[in-house]
Amino acid sequence: NAGVTQTPKFQVLKTGQSMTLQCAQDMNHNSMYWYRQDPGMGLRLIYYSASEGTTDKGEVPNGYNVSRLNKREFSLRLESAAPSQTSVYFCASSEGYRGEAFFGQGTRLTVV
Amino acid sequence: GIQVEQSPPDLILQEGANSTLRCNFSDSVNNLQWFHQNPWGQLINLFYIPSGTKQNGRLSATTVATERYSLLYISSSQTTDSGVYFCAVSSNDYKLSFGAGTTVTVRA
Repeated sequence: NAGVTQTPKFQVLKTGQSMTLQCAQDMNHNSMYWYRQDPGMGLRLIYYSASEGTTDKGEVPNGYNVSRLNKREFSLRLESAAPSQTSVYFCASSEGYRGEAFFGQGTRLTVV
Repeated sequence: GIQVEQSPPDLILQEGANSTLRCNFSDSVNNLQWFHQNPWGQLINLFYIPSGTKQNGRLSATTVATERYSLLYISSSQTTDSGVYFCAVSSNDYKLSFGAGTTVTVRA
């Protein structure tokens, strides 16, 4: 039982490159989330998926797209990376909005 | 959106000391969680506590929802307690809002 698994763990991109961050959960949760954490700050919500087939914007969605591939998987895509997107990205899942959220180990992304 | 304030921002403790971390929030909540982010960046779930009191070993937490605050107690602190403690809340939606965290340093 791995919980929430993110790939990759580390990534360096050049400005303008694209990439997709992958997330999978094995807890059979309906809801999944993508957050970013910048130095010295708490986490901020980028996008979320309340249930399979739905996605919605969070607090900081600009520059990102998401896909809820199935109940287990939720991916985050950067179409044209910018240095301002250098951050640590966390995926999470929960059983609805009242449920306890569990986080993956994070992806450290640097855009140069 | 809901505002979350944590205090103090930084806390330095001698091993064995006790401490209290506070989380104030601006609206009624139906989800409140405490996390510990260890020095490797992992977010570890401590408590899911939208109301009431819970205890887990040396840690305990109390949420007084009517007064819009939650407290995390660390007793007999150990060096492994070092890291950043986050409070996160949501109110009838999927947007879990995080405070800025309390950085705890426990010295041997």
